[in-house]
Amino acid sequence: AQSVAQPEDQVNVAEGNPLTVKCTYSVSGNPYLFWYVQYPNRGLQFLLKYITGDNLVKGSYGFEAEFNKSQTSFHLKKPSALVSDSALYFCAVRDRGNTPLVFGKGTRLSVIA
Amino acid sequence: GAGVSQSPRYKVTKRGQDVALRCDPISGHVSLYWYRQALGQGPEFLTYFNYEAQQDKSGLPNDRFSAERPEGSISTLTIQRTEQRDSAMYRCASSLSGGGVYEQYFGPGTRLTVT
Repeated sequence: AQSVAQPEDQVNVAEGNPLTVKCTYSVSGNPYLFWYVQYPNRGLQFLLKYITGDNLVKGSYGFEAEFNKSQTSFHLKKPSALVSDSALYFCAVRDRGNTPLVFGKGTRLSVIA
Repeated sequence: GAGVSQSPRYKVTKRGQDVALRCDPISGHVSLYWYRQALGQGPEFLTYFNYEAQQDKSGLPNDRFSAERPEGSISTLTIQRTEQRDSAMYRCASSLSGGGVYEQYFGPGTRLTVT
């Protein structure tokens, strides 16, 4: 069965500093990996995905994520955090069969001015 | 363009009543998904459709929950004889196709409260 772990409930970072939100996964085969962001009273918004190819994927709002197969990780990163990045971030995984998308429990990012 | 819409946005119902939650996906999207999200948790898969065909309903918690998408567009999630434990945010998403490579686009959700 697929699973996702987001080990941090909360990440605090100062504006302008780099940020990392961690995600590790477990699937039986090769994964498809996704990051979503949720702002208050809004639906989840797609940020980026890894399907195949280059391990470093770039997405919306300056975010990027690195797929590391040996560590089964897909950490979300941004070189310089903005206060407006403060939100709830979800990592999700599915395997290459037609299986449901499985989400982590989310990490709340707080960027402090 | 228009995103995924859901209605109602908020629903308060008494225990034992039936509720119907509606999802209108992005036009042209083949696949439609239903999720339930408890407070402090990520979305949990309930069921999904390709066109009008229900492909997977393994996440529906019991037979009080059902879903349909009769014309391959709008979908309805129905909960019969609601219980307090059904209180949650119900989210709908759509994607271009059911293949795993496609990202899903989420609606704003319906907050269901069963009293």
